[in-house]
Amino acid sequence: EAGVAQSPRYKIIEKRQSVAFWCNPISGHATLYWYQQILGQGPKLLIQFQNNGVVDDSQLPKDRFSAERLKGVDSTLKIQPAKLEDSAVYLCASSLAVVGTEAFFGQGTRLTVV
Amino acid sequence: GENVEQHPSTLSVQEGDSAVIKCTYSDSASNYFPWYKQELGKRPQLIIDIRSNVGEKKDQRIAVTLNKTAKHFSLHITETQPEDSAVYFCAANERNTGNQFYFGTGTSLTVIP
Repeated sequence: EAGVAQSPRYKIIEKRQSVAFWCNPISGHATLYWYQQILGQGPKLLIQFQNNGVVDDSQLPKDRFSAERLKGVDSTLKIQPAKLEDSAVYLCASSLAVVGTEAFFGQGTRLTVV
Repeated sequence: GENVEQHPSTLSVQEGDSAVIKCTYSDSASNYFPWYKQELGKRPQLIIDIRSNVGEKKDQRIAVTLNKTAKHFSLHITETQPEDSAVYFCAANERNTGNQFYFGTGTSLTVIP
């Protein structure tokens, strides 16, 4: 089966600029996650969707980050304006909407803010 | 929410030796504990998982043990090989918010040939 697709793979922007990341989950996976992984740390959940509804966005810095999942399939994560500390790998993952099932990760987008 | 702690942060072993990584969790309601392996520049990939109704699970050279009472679980890799070198993350789910996962901080394993 096809995996989780993300784009772009790499992005370099200046601070205060905007950036958007795209994710296409595995077909049939109702749950979609965006994680932020800072170098040397574990993935930190930013937002979790089930279909097109938000399950948890408690750790999303809402003053600058936004995410949407229109039609319950693809999702975009936006940062506006970016800060230096946003430099990280942004991982998208998806899973079945069943507690206790595996989350499959995409390759991630490595963001560098200069 | 769930809090997952992982130790050690770095681990070096000689090829053929065993490696053990330990994690603790805080939410007694958690019932699913996956382990992910992440090679440099690649996506995290599931290598083994365990559910709370089981105390141990093995898959060839990899095993995971779970102690629900103490709220800790461990990854055991036997007969380590250089290709086992990677960062390993443990995770625990939080059931109240659907299939949500909290990750440990990772263990960088180096297998010395």
